[in-house]
Amino acid sequence: KNEVEQSPQNLTAQEGEFITINCSYSVGISALHWLQQHPGGGIVSLFMLSSGKKKHGRLIATINIQEKHSSLHITASHPRDSAVYICAVSVFHNDMRFGAGTRLTVKP
Amino acid sequence: GAGVSQSPSNKVTEKGKDVELRCDPISGHTALYWYRQSLGQGLEFLIYFQGNSAPDKSGLPSDRFSAERTGGSVSTLTIQRTQQEDSAVYLCASSLLPNTGELFFGEGSRLTVL
Repeated sequence: KNEVEQSPQNLTAQEGEFITINCSYSVGISALHWLQQHPGGGIVSLFMLSSGKKKHGRLIATINIQEKHSSLHITASHPRDSAVYICAVSVFHNDMRFGAGTRLTVKP
Repeated sequence: GAGVSQSPSNKVTEKGKDVELRCDPISGHTALYWYRQSLGQGLEFLIYFQGNSAPDKSGLPSDRFSAERTGGSVSTLTIQRTQQEDSAVYLCASSLLPNTGELFFGEGSRLTVL
């Protein structure tokens, strides 16, 4: 079993829909990152969380440390949100573990 | 610099040759990370530097891989006697703080071993 599990693997939505991507982990962490990778490979950090909830524009990320679970939400989705979303955790001795990614396609 | 800079952006080499990949992090960022992403695969953590030291080298795939960082800034990842399975995009990221800092990624170095 992977230490970082993401679901779903693939997600197709219509423009305007509310989207949720989930991440569960089984190791002790110091922080959890949500990353966005567009076709062509560039990676952008969306959020870094150690507790609670963060919001940037239409994106919201939450984390429940006790349940070892995080969610990334996208409100009013748009085709430009189409990308691979990756959950990554910083393990206490500075190692990082990655989820396999969720490929999101938003159709107009 | 304004962002994390990696070079070369593309490298094609013959099996058995050595390659050196360079990462220039954001000025002042103490933490530097190397990752690898093989075609169609997820990200794989390779090594992390805090300043010039690497507390954990266990992520390096084999003893053909080595990395160093000097002056708390530029880092080089060296792959000796390259193999075809080394073909991947090698990504570098830096952060102001270890463990809890936001990550800033370079564009990556695409390595192709023929």
